Amino acid sequence: AQSVSQHNHHVILSEAASLELGCNYSYGGTVNLFWYVQYPGQHLQLLLKYFSGDPLVKGIKGFEAEFIKSKFSFNLRKPSVQWSDTAEYFCAVNAGGFKTIFGAGTRLFVKA
Amino acid sequence: DAMVIQNPRYQVTQFGKPVTLSCSQTLNHNVMYWYQQKSSQAPKLLFHYYDKDFNNEADTPDNFQSRRPNTSFCFLDIRSPGLGDAAMYLCATSRDIGAGGGYEQYFGPGTRLTVT
Repeated sequence: AQSVSQHNHHVILSEAASLELGCNYSYGGTVNLFWYVQYPGQHLQLLLKYFSGDPLVKGIKGFEAEFIKSKFSFNLRKPSVQWSDTAEYFCAVNAGGFKTIFGAGTRLFVKA
Repeated sequence: DAMVIQNPRYQVTQFGKPVTLSCSQTLNHNVMYWYQQKSSQAPKLLFHYYDKDFNNEADTPDNFQSRRPNTSFCFLDIRSPGLGDAAMYLCATSRDIGAGGGYEQYFGPGTRLTVT
């Protein structure tokens, strides 16, 4: 069965620190990859997505993610986090059809 | 703004008492989803509608049913809620443009269900 693994459940960073959140999935075929974010008190929303092409994907608010097919990974990065990036981040994988598998999420807290 | 709306945001029901959660959308998307999310866990897909076609996940309990009377509305019915059904229920939509799914989803704020 397909699965998505997010390595860190909680991350605490100071403002201006660099961020990398790990995501690995188990599926050998073609996948569509997503990162969603949920800010406190808000609904889940799309941060970025990869369908094909350049494996380095840029999203909103300075986030980017790199698809490494050989490692089944889609890690999220941001060079310098801000207090407003405090949120929960979900990696998600779709292998065709309408079923998207989500990871358990990583709660990021950025200290001002 | 086009959006996905869920009502109520918080629902308390008694053990075994049927409850209905509602979702509406102004995006005119043809696919609607219901997810269950328990604390510190990943959202888990219960079922989805593609237009009027209902698609149940194999591991979704029979206790969970859904209705989609039109494009805009979708309901989640829990026939006999148990304590284990306490969770956040998320509704989402997506637009299928014919390439086999896998498109980004738009989520509502969720309904937190408490079972007493």
